[in-house]
Amino acid sequence: DAKTTQPPSMDCAEGRAANLPCNHSTISGNEYVYWYRQIHSQGPQYIIHGLKNNETNEMASLIITEDRKSSTLILPHATLRDTAVYYCIVRYPGANSKLTFGKGITLSVRP
Amino acid sequence: GAVVSQHPSWVICKSGTSVKIECRSLDFQATTMFWYRQFPKQSLMLMATSNEGSKATYEQGVEKDKFLINHASLTLSTLTVTSAHPEDSSFYICSARGDREGRTEAFFGQGTRLTVV
Repeated sequence: DAKTTQPPSMDCAEGRAANLPCNHSTISGNEYVYWYRQIHSQGPQYIIHGLKNNETNEMASLIITEDRKSSTLILPHATLRDTAVYYCIVRYPGANSKLTFGKGITLSVRP
Repeated sequence: GAVVSQHPSWVICKSGTSVKIECRSLDFQATTMFWYRQFPKQSLMLMATSNEGSKATYEQGVEKDKFLINHASLTLSTLTVTSAHPEDSSFYICSARGDREGRTEAFFGQGTRLTVV
């Protein structure tokens, strides 16, 4: 699976949009981009995933560049409960395809 | 609501004893389950992948005789830490993947914090 690189941390003000970047320059044509987050001492929570088109759900939006070498997760109105470690992961489709976690980015939402 | 349930949430055991952790998919059939371990301030490390009815595939460096995985049904997988030692103290997390309402992403349990004393 392709590797991803994320900044170690960022912060944003409550109520503002949080834009979390991810680089995946070696991504293959059929690899998906997944985002998960982990709030302290809990299991990871699925947020969103996409292949090449931008995606939006009730939690976030995922913007994937045209060359697919990077993406941005957008939390439109960050709250204090969004403080967590966010993981950007690239993986092939398929039931046995592994989710390999990197170090992620720690998002701190300040009041 | 939670779609993958882990039990127990935390456990303290004596060194040398065995501990079993259960992972259940609540509203879908999990064809594949994954077990992870997470040490403080570190990321999740994949330990093994299991498919229902077959032997688990362990990642390099994970002792299969120490971490016994059983995926006996499409809704239940268990991880048994045998002869636990203090260095096995960690946060163990399971993940399940199957066809849930047409979605194939992996869902995670809430984790089990194991402390070996």
